Amino acid sequence: AQSVTQPDIHITVSEGASLELRCNYSYGATPYLFWYVQSPGQGLQLLLKYFSGDTLVQGIKGFEAEFKRSQSSFNLRKPSVHWSDAAEYFCAGDNNAGNMLTFGGGTRLMVKP
Amino acid sequence: DADVTQTPRNRITKTGKRIMLECSQTKGHDRMYWYRQDPGLGLRLIYYSFDVKDINKGEISDGYSVSRQAQAKFSLSLESAIPNQTALYFCATSASGPQYFGPGTRLLVL
Repeated sequence: AQSVTQPDIHITVSEGASLELRCNYSYGATPYLFWYVQSPGQGLQLLLKYFSGDTLVQGIKGFEAEFKRSQSSFNLRKPSVHWSDAAEYFCAGDNNAGNMLTFGGGTRLMVKP
Repeated sequence: DADVTQTPRNRITKTGKRIMLECSQTKGHDRMYWYRQDPGLGLRLIYYSFDVKDINKGEISDGYSVSRQAQAKFSLSLESAIPNQTALYFCATSASGPQYFGPGTRLLVL
């Protein structure tokens, strides 16, 4: 069965520190992969997407993600976290260009001053 | 103005009541979706529609129904609400690519 797993439910980092949020997928073929962010009281905003090609994907707000087929991972990274990055982050995957998303359980990021 | 809007944003109702959540979009997308979000479970798909005449059940459709009144409108109904339908509900749209989400409706069933 297709699945997306985010192993970390909560992560706390200090402002200015680097960030990596983990995402693992289980699909028969290379899936389309997405990262979304949900700020408190808000809907989900698309950060970045991977369809094919370059395995390092740049997104909005200074985020990037790297697709690693050998590890079935699509981890989200940011070199220096800002307090405004505190939110919940969702990884999602699909075999059909994003039409039928399967979401991970989410990772809640807290940022310490 | 927001591209995907949901009404109401918050709703409290009682067990057994019928309730409708509405979603409208100005993105011109053919595809629309309803999800529910529960803590630790991410988002789970309730129903989806790829055009006005197309309605499909998602992962957790029991207890819900939908209506696609127009390309831009997709409504979710709870025919007889129960407490375990308390959740945050999201509408999303797409045009064969990434999905774009509304702000959500927070529903409490007492």
